[in-house]
Order: sequence, then structure tokens, then C-alpha cells
Amino acid sequence: TQLLEQSPQFLSIQEGENLTVYCNSSSVFSSLQWYRQEPGEGPVLLVTVVTGGEVKKLKRLTFQFGDARKDSSLHITAAQPGDTGLYLCAGARSDYKLSFGAGTTVTVRA
Amino acid sequence: NAGVTQTPKFQVLKTGQSMTLQCAQDMNHEYMSWYRQDPGMGLRLIHYSVGAGITDQGEVPNGYNVSRSTTEDFPLRLLSAAPSQTSVYFCASSRLGGQGDIQYFGAGTRLSVL
Repeated sequence: TQLLEQSPQFLSIQEGENLTVYCNSSSVFSSLQWYRQEPGEGPVLLVTVVTGGEVKKLKRLTFQFGDARKDSSLHITAAQPGDTGLYLCAGARSDYKLSFGAGTTVTVRA
Repeated sequence: NAGVTQTPKFQVLKTGQSMTLQCAQDMNHEYMSWYRQDPGMGLRLIHYSVGAGITDQGEVPNGYNVSRSTTEDFPLRLLSAAPSQTSVYFCASSRLGGQGDIQYFGAGTRLSVL
């Protein structure tokens, strides 16, 4: 059983469209991270959110941490083919363990 | 700019064989960890270490051993490989300065057990 549930599992959209990926849990995390992984490579950190209700923007990507620090979302505006990849959320706990969601595979068609 | 280096990149084993997956980092990070990644399941924590001489189990430790004799190295040992251990293995390292420290991942080892 995944501690973090990501949805949707797959997302295929046209270039220029918007998309949102969700990461939900019944557990509280001290922080939540979003990673992007390309085929054949390890995950690369996009952002860390720490405070409940926090919103961070990274160019066309907007990340939000829920008020109760149990859920998060990633919103991409005007998606581009370069945004294609596997997006993973990961929750950090005080015992140094990082729990990952199953990931959302995003495909942006030109 | 080596970061986290994993070797080998690919490996094929027969059931019952043993092997060691190597992981080295040059960032003087205290925290190192091993994950396995399977389709539809994300990354699952196998073992982790918060410093030399200290290791602990993650979510899926059975069938794997680790040791941390130096800050730089964190090898993962499969004593008797099983087909269920076919997976992609990632090593990661980070500081222990506080919550939300950046995890740096290696490029992965793709293991097939026949």
C-alpha cells in the first residue's frame, strides 16, 4: 500500500494545454518534494514545500502544499514537449525516511 | 561534478547468485539510501544510513544487506538473488541538515534475475 497516492497515473495532453497532478495521503509530512524523472536516469528534484498552504512557482510549474500537510498538487501551465516525463511526489518524515508516490507519466504531444 | 555514482549500470544474474551494487558520492553527505523502482510502484526504500557505521531498514529490506564503512560508499548486497529482485535500483544521498534536504540520485542499476 502506497503511503502517497498520485493521480492520474498517466496523462497525455497537447502542447499548450494545462495539467494538474495530485499527491494525496492520510499521513502528515514535515515536507513534500516533487521530482521529475527521464527515461534511463534518476529522479531530479524540482521543488520542496515545507509549510502548510505554501505555494511555490517555478516558471510554468506551480506547486501547492495542503494546509494540513497531507497533500500536494503540481500544476503546469501551457505544457511543452520538454515537460514530458515521470513526475514523482515524496513525503519526508522525522525518521529520515522518504516515501514516494507511484508517479504520474506525463506526455505532451507537439 | 561526479555527484552519486552507481556501478554497474546493467547486470544479469541467475537465481541464487550473489552480487554487490556499488554506490559512491563525493559531496560529503551524511545520508545515503537505496531504492528499488518497479512499474506502477514508484520508488520503495530498501535501506538507509545516516552516517558511517549506522544503517537501518526501509520498507522492503528482505533479501538485501548494506554496510557503511565510509561516508562516501554505501554498497547494496544481494546474497542469493531471486527473480522478484528484478528491478531498477537507485542510490541517493543528501545532507542531514533538516527536513526537505535535496536527494541526489545516481543514474540507476538495471538488474535482471533469471
